[in-house]
Amino acid sequence: GNSVTQMEGPVTLSEEAFLTINCTYTATGYPSLFWYVQYPGEGLQLLLKATKADDKGSNKGFEATYRKETTSFHLEKGSVQVSDSAVYFCALPLQGGQGGKLIFGQGTELSVKP
Amino acid sequence: EAQVTQNPRYLITVTGKKLTVTCSQNMNHEYMSWYRQDPGLGLRQIYYSMNVEVTDKGDVPEGYKVSRKEKRNFPLILESPSPNQTSLYFCASSFLAGTGELFFGEGSRLTVL
Repeated sequence: GNSVTQMEGPVTLSEEAFLTINCTYTATGYPSLFWYVQYPGEGLQLLLKATKADDKGSNKGFEATYRKETTSFHLEKGSVQVSDSAVYFCALPLQGGQGGKLIFGQGTELSVKP
Repeated sequence: EAQVTQNPRYLITVTGKKLTVTCSQNMNHEYMSWYRQDPGLGLRQIYYSMNVEVTDKGDVPEGYKVSRKEKRNFPLILESPSPNQTSLYFCASSFLAGTGELFFGEGSRLTVL
């Protein structure tokens, strides 16, 4: 079945550093892939998505490319800010059941220091 | 403003005292779902609903009930809460099931003593 694995945190960076959060997936076919972000004290919100292989999703300076060769969807940002401190979740839909629910990775906590 | 509203946001209760966490969305979404978030276990789906009067179990339904009498509302009911239901709960909705584009509420932190 579909599954997703993302790098463990926490990740601590200085402001303006480059960010990569790794995400790899196992899936039947080529499902859409998602990154969600959870800011402190809030619910998750969709950050970006890609719907097919080689698609690049982008939003708020974050990018992720759907790579079927490496079954990866790594999240990147060229210059992080303190306001990017949050928990980031990679996700993909479950195939064939439970209403196509989203399967989430364990989450990677990012802390950006000034 | 498009939103998913949960209440209460915080609750401390005692074992066995029935409680309901309400969830309401104003986006005319067909699909709604409840998750719980626990350290080390991530997000786990409790129940979901494809449409009005259609609900089904997720991964961890034991000890919970839901109902979907109206499209906008999807309450989570704990008939007899126990300490292992202490958790952070999220309601989420999407236009259709399977789109992956979920809108989440802000969460309800429940403590059962």
